Amino acid sequence: AQTVTQSQPEMSVQEAETVTLSCTYDTSESNYYLFWYKQPPSRQMILVIRQEAYKQQNATENRFSVNFQKAAKSFSLKISDSQLGDTAMYFCALGPTGAGSYQLTFGKGTKLSVIP
Amino acid sequence: DAEITQSPRHKITETGRQVTLACHQTWNHNNMFWYRQDLGHGLRLIHYSYGVQDTNKGEVSDGYSVSRSNTEDLPLTLESAASSQTSVYFCASSESRGNPYNEQFFGPGTRLTVL
Repeated sequence: AQTVTQSQPEMSVQEAETVTLSCTYDTSESNYYLFWYKQPPSRQMILVIRQEAYKQQNATENRFSVNFQKAAKSFSLKISDSQLGDTAMYFCALGPTGAGSYQLTFGKGTKLSVIP
Repeated sequence: DAEITQSPRHKITETGRQVTLACHQTWNHNNMFWYRQDLGHGLRLIHYSYGVQDTNKGEVSDGYSVSRSNTEDLPLTLESAASSQTSVYFCASSESRGNPYNEQFFGPGTRLTVL
């Protein structure tokens, strides 16, 4: 069975600073995809960034970047120049769960607070 | 613009009542999913569907059912609501054709309270 572990239930960061959210995973799939989703107080789940396991280059989206360490099964999210609007729950997700599957496995989330 | 909607956004019901939560997507996606979100548990999969007439149980399917009669809709039914089913419910969809990522797009959620 696949697992996704987010070891930091809560984190805080000063506005304009950089913060890194951790995610480790376990899967028996040879090819898979990793995602970070953001859930602000409005509850809407928003895809932040995605990474293909067979791509060694780390994905970046503006102020968001990942550090993908395949051998260590680690997929951390770095947020640079943190803004108040980054305050949210962040979920790490892994898919697929098997051949012919389109399911994602989610971690339990990290609550990030950006402090003015 | 394509979207995924859920209704109602908030629902209060009583123990033992049947409740149906609606999910409608205009993405024309094959795959649809229902999750519940509870503090300390993240998102847990209830049921999912990979196409019309296809439904499958997820991790926490007891007490829930779904049916898929068309591409756009996947209603979630609580047969006899229990207080343990008080939660926030999310519907999601994804496209498997020509999309290796299979990232999921989420609805706004329904907060259900069972008294």
